[in-house]
Amino acid sequence: NAGVMQNPRHLVRRRGQEARLRCSPMKGHSHVYWYRQLPEEGLKFMVYLQKENIIDESGMPKERFSAEFPKEGPSILRIQQVVRGDSAAYFCASSPTYSSGTDTQYFGPGTRLTVL
Amino acid sequence: AQTVTQSQPEMSVQEAETVTLSCTYDTSESNYYLFWYKQPPSRQMILVIRQEAYKQQNATENRFSVNFQKAAKSFSLKISDSQLGDTAMYFCAFRPGGSEKLVFGKGTKLTVNP
Repeated sequence: NAGVMQNPRHLVRRRGQEARLRCSPMKGHSHVYWYRQLPEEGLKFMVYLQKENIIDESGMPKERFSAEFPKEGPSILRIQQVVRGDSAAYFCASSPTYSSGTDTQYFGPGTRLTVL
Repeated sequence: AQTVTQSQPEMSVQEAETVTLSCTYDTSESNYYLFWYKQPPSRQMILVIRQEAYKQQNATENRFSVNFQKAAKSFSLKISDSQLGDTAMYFCAFRPGGSEKLVFGKGTKLTVNP
């Protein structure tokens, strides 16, 4: 059973460009979460999605950031007009179901975004 | 707001010895879940162990065990017979029951020396 897949593993963008980060959950998992890890910090929750629905985006910056999880294909985290402060590791996690929050989240290898 | 505190930024241990990493959390919830994740140099986040707050028995996974003190809001990780491959950042994480958000501490960098 393949784990959570993220690509690319490394992404370099210049200020003002767009960054697209992709996440394919584990087989059988329908819940996806995005977290951001700044240098020397723990992970910070950004957004929780189910297929075609954003359930909780309380951790997402109000501007420039968006996320989707379409019916077909991977989940996408999009950052428009990137700035240097967006440089971080972005982790995706998935879980099989929502049932009182009992299910463990399994993480992908992360995408390291560097903004020049 | 829930917070997770890991008071030891760095620790080291000799191979084959035992080490304990501390974690405290702050919450008013009665139902929640606690996790330890390991992040080796590859940066992959790997689940080490989990604990349900309603369970009094401490969770164990092979060489890894926890000391869960609910009243003290403490959740320490004990690694027995440390191995070189245990060298990694270790993150304590908390999730309230009914919520999907994981709240992480800042991590403890563990080095296992030969």
